[in-house]
Amino acid sequence: DAGVTQTPRHEVAEKGQTIILKCEPVSGHNDLFWYRQTKIQGLELLSYFRSKSLMEDGGAFKDRFKAEMLNSSFSTLKIQPTEPKDSAVYLCASSLGGRAETLYFGSGTRLTVL
Amino acid sequence: GDSVTQKEGLVTLTEGLPVMLNCTYQTIYSNAFLFWYVHYLNESPRLLLKSSTDNKRTEHQGFHATLHKSSSSFHLQKSSAQLSDSALYYCALSNNRIFFGDGTQLVVKP
Repeated sequence: DAGVTQTPRHEVAEKGQTIILKCEPVSGHNDLFWYRQTKIQGLELLSYFRSKSLMEDGGAFKDRFKAEMLNSSFSTLKIQPTEPKDSAVYLCASSLGGRAETLYFGSGTRLTVL
Repeated sequence: GDSVTQKEGLVTLTEGLPVMLNCTYQTIYSNAFLFWYVHYLNESPRLLLKSSTDNKRTEHQGFHATLHKSSSSFHLQKSSAQLSDSALYYCALSNNRIFFGDGTQLVVKP
């Protein structure tokens, strides 16, 4: 079975650019999560979808971060405009849904904003 | 509100010594699930073990944890650390939402 696929693995952007990160969840999974991973903040939730519906949009990340899930097998995270403080690893995860279910993570996108 | 606390940001051990990574949580739900995820360098984070049963030891890949609802704890343990255990470990609580601790970086030295 294919796991969670994230592209690109690495992204370098200039300050002010728009970047789009992509995620393909595990087939059949109902829940999809976007996280930002940093050493200082740990895992921060950016967005959470259940059956393609946005359930949570990460509060503080609303203004420049927008996640979409146009179909059950593909999601994007747009950051517009990028700032140097956005440099981090962005992780996508999916699960069947429900509190007992395991999250399956992608390998992440390492974003560097210059 | 619900939360997870991992009080150690970094744990450094010598190979062969026991490992204990602390995890405490706060929740109003009596049937929440607790998870440990491990993130090795250049790999995807993945599940290490999980539990929702009070006072039952859960084991996987040499690690074990016991959920103690009386003390709201789910500490991760291993009897003897190996160099390959060096990784970032996250404790997580799942009820109607998922809450992650800040993570503990485990460094095992020869």
